[in-house]
Amino acid sequence: DIQMTQSPSTLSASVGDRVTITCRASQSINIWLAWYQQKPGKAPNLLISKASTLESGVPSRFSGSGSGTEFTLTISSLQPEDFATYYCQQYIYYATFGQGTKVEIK
Amino acid sequence: EVQLVESGGDLVQPGRSLRLSCTTSGFIFGDYAMTWVRQAPGKGLEWIGAIREKVSGATEYAASVRGRFTISRDDSTSIAYLQLNSLKIEDTGVYFCSRWMTHQALHNWGQGTLVTVSS
Repeated sequence: DIQMTQSPSTLSASVGDRVTITCRASQSINIWLAWYQQKPGKAPNLLISKASTLESGVPSRFSGSGSGTEFTLTISSLQPEDFATYYCQQYIYYATFGQGTKVEIK
Repeated sequence: EVQLVESGGDLVQPGRSLRLSCTTSGFIFGDYAMTWVRQAPGKGLEWIGAIREKVSGATEYAASVRGRFTISRDDSTSIAYLQLNSLKIEDTGVYFCSRWMTHQALHNWGQGTLVTVSS
């Protein structure tokens, strides 16, 4: 099974900060990596697919990079609506999620 | 518009069974695989299984539910099912369904249905 490890588990930041979340796969997943945002009581929302492709309607302050086993999600200037939990997911073989990163207000 | 609606969640005792439904519309159901993801209270997302497109219908499950959970599909009604047997307290959580294709992320999700396993 492919394991996904995210870091950090929690991130405290202020509005306007640049934040980066890292996701590591236990084996190469090429670019088959997605990032989701989830707010309490809601279903996850797809932000980025194929490691770096921004989904329609997602603000350009979100970006993704990486390939193989190392990936990052960057929010260039954190906005109030971005305080949420973020998950990475591999989909080279079915699916595995990272454990999540909660972005909270500093 | 693509829509997925989960239903069937309930409070059940350990060891009992439950069947969840994922009613879909807005796309050609038979062309897509369907997958289920769950989230325990206050925890992260866990992929639990998938059923391939109509032409195949093959299933795959996470180790944590293999042998207890079964995914099926009814292409005549565009509904996917998740049969949960021998339920354990740790199966408590919100269960989401999503449509899926190989090498595609999960673009569309339902709102989830809550399963509570407790005596």
